Amino acid sequence: LAKTTQPISMDSYEGQEVNITCSHNNIATNDYITWYQQFPSQGPRFIIQGYKTKVTNEVASLFIPADRKSSTLSLPRVSLSDTAVYYCLVVLNYGGATNKLIFGTGTLLAVQP
Amino acid sequence: DSGVTQTPKHLITATGQRVTLRCSPRSGDLSVYWYQQSLDQGLQFLIQYYNGEERAKGNILERFSAQQFPDLHSELNLSSLELGDSALYFCASSVYSTVNTGELFFGEGSRLTVL
Repeated sequence: LAKTTQPISMDSYEGQEVNITCSHNNIATNDYITWYQQFPSQGPRFIIQGYKTKVTNEVASLFIPADRKSSTLSLPRVSLSDTAVYYCLVVLNYGGATNKLIFGTGTLLAVQP
Repeated sequence: DSGVTQTPKHLITATGQRVTLRCSPRSGDLSVYWYQQSLDQGLQFLIQYYNGEERAKGNILERFSAQQFPDLHSELNLSSLELGDSALYFCASSVYSTVNTGELFFGEGSRLTVL
């Protein structure tokens, strides 16, 4: 069954680089991979989006291997305010049926001083 | 502020009742998505509308229905409510019609508690 998985939680310290990986073993061919950040009781907020190789913006980098079966969100030099849940969002191919827009299981990143 | 407005922010009701959640998308966005977030299920895609028409359907129960009106606001109707329907319901909007192109802008959510 096509699905998307992420580590449940990660711990880090301020100033460190954090890499969060999402596995999506049946991603649809022509769709983007997007990452979102969510704070408690708030809606998810867009971080970064990519299709292949590497994408970088002012807050993060996204690494996507050639087979696109996984993606890695990289947060450089995290701070306490980066403590949140991080989700990948992909379109999974359900074999001819309507493709499904699927959020990953989410990774709770806890940044400590 | 994402520009997406959801009402009500909180709602408490009893089992068997019916409620309506409302979403106003960002100005200019034609797509509206509804998601359910509960503690044990994460973010579950329910349904998408684009310019008034249903575009994609996810894990939406038959007791739930949605529509998008000519002014592009959307409503999610939940009926015959059960305890398990207690969750945060998010609305998101996008300029695009396809399911995963561009950025989704999320509202602050409507927290439904069914007692």
